[in-house]
Amino acid sequence: DADVTQTPRNRITKTGKRIMLECSQTKGHDRMYWYRQDPGLGLRLIYYSFDVKDINKGEISDGYSVSRQAQAKFSLSLESAIPNQTALYFCATSDGQYNEQFFGPGTRLTVL
Amino acid sequence: ILNVEQSPQSLHVQEGDSTNFTCSFPSSNFYALHWYRWETAKSPEALFVMTLNGDEKKKGRISATLNTKEGYSYLYIKGSQPEDSATYLCASRGWTNAGKSTFGDGTTLTVKP
Repeated sequence: DADVTQTPRNRITKTGKRIMLECSQTKGHDRMYWYRQDPGLGLRLIYYSFDVKDINKGEISDGYSVSRQAQAKFSLSLESAIPNQTALYFCATSDGQYNEQFFGPGTRLTVL
Repeated sequence: ILNVEQSPQSLHVQEGDSTNFTCSFPSSNFYALHWYRWETAKSPEALFVMTLNGDEKKKGRISATLNTKEGYSYLYIKGSQPEDSATYLCASRGWTNAGKSTFGDGTTLTVKP
């Protein structure tokens, strides 16, 4: 079984809809991250969390919110989806020392 | 350099060619640098973590070097094979932004048989 899982893997939604992407991990890591990837660009950090009570904005947090429900679960919400949020979204965990990232399989989101 | 920059953006080589690409990162505040390999339809996976100036790491035909004073790292692939085709990402972490890494945009390597 994968250490970091994401659901759904693919999602098509309409402008203005609220959508939630979920991430679960069995690696036992405290640190969890949400990234967005657009064609030709690298990974841009949306939000990150060092533990259940610690949530931090990344470089592109506008239009997104997160919830850390437990050490193993970190959800990303788009409050009112817009077309330029169409992207590939990755959840990741980290062991903390050198911040090596362990990625989930990704969620491809299309906003029409 | 405020961001992490990678060059070239893409590279096309013939099977058997050796190749290399560059990652530039802020030399001040350096703590660690990761190289990741990202194959199409998969997730990025770590190749190397590099922390000390002069570090050299090797895994099979792939190796990497690190110069923290001037702020760059090279990734080398010797005798490229079609299965080396992937996007190679580097990510830099500083002392003051603990737990957060900045990714470059990647170098996409295509190896033609």
